[in-house]
Amino acid sequence: ETGVTQSPTHLIKTRGQQVTLRCSSQSGHNTVSWYQQALGQGPQFIFQYYREEENGRGNFPPRFSGLQFPNYSSELNVNALELDDSALYLCASSPWTRHYGYTFGSGTRLTVV
Amino acid sequence: DQQVKQNSPSLSVQEGRISILNCDYTNSMFDYFLWYKKYPAEGPTFLISISSIKDKNEDGRFTVFLNKSAKHLSLHIVPSQPGDSAVYFCAASSNNNDMRFGAGTRLTVKP
Repeated sequence: ETGVTQSPTHLIKTRGQQVTLRCSSQSGHNTVSWYQQALGQGPQFIFQYYREEENGRGNFPPRFSGLQFPNYSSELNVNALELDDSALYLCASSPWTRHYGYTFGSGTRLTVV
Repeated sequence: DQQVKQNSPSLSVQEGRISILNCDYTNSMFDYFLWYKKYPAEGPTFLISISSIKDKNEDGRFTVFLNKSAKHLSLHIVPSQPGDSAVYFCAASSNNNDMRFGAGTRLTVKP
């Protein structure tokens, strides 16, 4: 079985631009969660998607949005990028919403300049 | 607000000895606790978990202890091996989907 794959692995954007990060969940997993990990910190919960619906959201502004597709892959979109958005963005999948043994991808390193 | 805290940013132990990683939390609504391990350039890997109805869970060399009254949990690794060298994250969740992570502890196991 394949794990969680994220693309791209690295990205550089300019302040004010928009970015889309992609995630393919592990086979058989219908729940996807997104996390932001700033340098020296633990992952911070952004939101979770279950069967194409948002199923929980952390303390992030509305310019952070997402989608989940019928094949359970997912996108994270960030509008009006700010310098503080520079971080590692992690996607995690699980077979159901309360199963917290998540499978994480390797992340996308976003740098905003 | 830091609801999950790992106060030791790093820990160094000798191969074969015990590693003890600690974690404190403030939210009494948390009912499920997990430990993840992270190697460089990889995502975190789930290691072991414990429900709040238990005080101990063991899986091979890894044991997690939960002290609900102290809002404290710990991960014991016995015996420690050089391959255990990684960053360890403590995480906790309540009856929603917001899993909170600590800042991590970097474990180095010396041969």
